[in-house]
Amino acid sequence: GIQVEQSPPDLILQEGANSTLRCNFSDSVNNLQWFHQNPWGQLINLFYIPSGTKQNGRLSATTVATERYSLLYISSSQTTDSGVYFCAGTTNDYKLSFGAGTTVTVRA
Amino acid sequence: GAGVSQSPSNKVTEKGKDVELRCDPISGHTALYWYRQRLGQGLEFLIYFQGNSAPDKSGLPSDRFSAERTGESVSTLTIQRTQQEDSAVYLCASSWGQGKMYTFGSGTRLTVV
Repeated sequence: GIQVEQSPPDLILQEGANSTLRCNFSDSVNNLQWFHQNPWGQLINLFYIPSGTKQNGRLSATTVATERYSLLYISSSQTTDSGVYFCAGTTNDYKLSFGAGTTVTVRA
Repeated sequence: GAGVSQSPSNKVTEKGKDVELRCDPISGHTALYWYRQRLGQGLEFLIYFQGNSAPDKSGLPSDRFSAERTGESVSTLTIQRTQQEDSAVYLCASSWGQGKMYTFGSGTRLTVV
């Protein structure tokens, strides 16, 4: 499978701050997805974004498939945004390869 | 159902015992995936089912692991002769097509003592 590199590995934010998380892929990627794993372990799909830009409330994501990266933007962060953010993608098959995640801590 | 349902949510078993984990995907989702997540780690692919096609078992770590799915319904993951290194959260996901948007269940936390 492809190699997925996420940065930064850890991020501490003050409530209300904005941030950008990055995901780099070793090869061309399809079916790119972003997930949030809350402190109770539940994985929530944030975006299915093989290319282009999408927005969902305070979150938005951009994928530049030709340059093998994707960005997740968190604006006006809240304590409920805390958790681990994973990106994942496939190459020519269906098996999502996951990055190691970015652990986000938002402090009140 | 409305979401992906996994049971049990927690399982503690003695080393050497067999365990069976269950996943009930979203109705209409043809693809079903099992992943494993060790403490503090990312997700590791185990097995994939797509409709009535032969499953992709390439991620199963040993022959102690097996999984079944009947058609597009429930799947069971069985671990025989459990070892301590099998301790992890086992996550199931489903999607309406291969590689499309995944929806994960809440997982089964397996502890082998």
